[in-house]
Amino acid sequence: DIQMTQSPSSLSASVGDRVTITCRASQSIDNYLNWYQQKPGKAPKLLIYAASNLQSGVPSRFSGSGSGADFTLTIGSLQPEDFATYYCQQSYSTPHTFGQGTNLEIK
Amino acid sequence: EVHLVESGGGLVQPGGSLRLSCAASGFTFSSYVMSWVRQAPGKGLECVSVISASGGHTYYADSVKGRFTISRDNSKSTLYLQMNSLRVEDTAIYYCTKIKQKLVLHDGSDIWGQGTMVTVSS
Repeated sequence: DIQMTQSPSSLSASVGDRVTITCRASQSIDNYLNWYQQKPGKAPKLLIYAASNLQSGVPSRFSGSGSGADFTLTIGSLQPEDFATYYCQQSYSTPHTFGQGTNLEIK
Repeated sequence: EVHLVESGGGLVQPGGSLRLSCAASGFTFSSYVMSWVRQAPGKGLECVSVISASGGHTYYADSVKGRFTISRDNSKSTLYLQMNSLRVEDTAIYYCTKIKQKLVLHDGSDIWGQGTMVTVSS
């Protein structure tokens, strides 16, 4: 299975900050990379698909980039509702493995 | 509106079996790849199984291969996960998900159910 590694595992930031989360695959996955946001007690929500495509209804402060094995999720200006856990996922091969998650906390 | 509703979770002893169901509505179920993703308490996400739109192709994580079986009934718009030989480490919330694009395997999950809790304990 393809291994996905996110960094950092946790991150403290303030409202208005710009933050970047990285995700690295154990092999090239072209652009088959997705990002999710999960809040406590809720199901994950798709934010970005195919590395850089914004899912319908997701604010434009979220953006994704990368291809091959290295990817980033950027939140342009943190809002209070953005504090959550973020996961990357590869959909290049089955099973569609996830990164271990990045917990974004309020500083 | 698009909905996925899981059922069938509960408490089971190690070695036991459970069958999860996921009822879909609001979209043409037979046109989409579906998956089961689980999350152990306080842990991250794990994709355990994926099934093609027709049901003819199935995929499993190594952790469940040979013990879990994914299936679907397109006439009932329902996804299933038969779980046998359950282990303590299978304890998790199990989510049913819809893959975003029609007939495409290599895509993200745009719709998730609310999840059903499976607890394996003696």
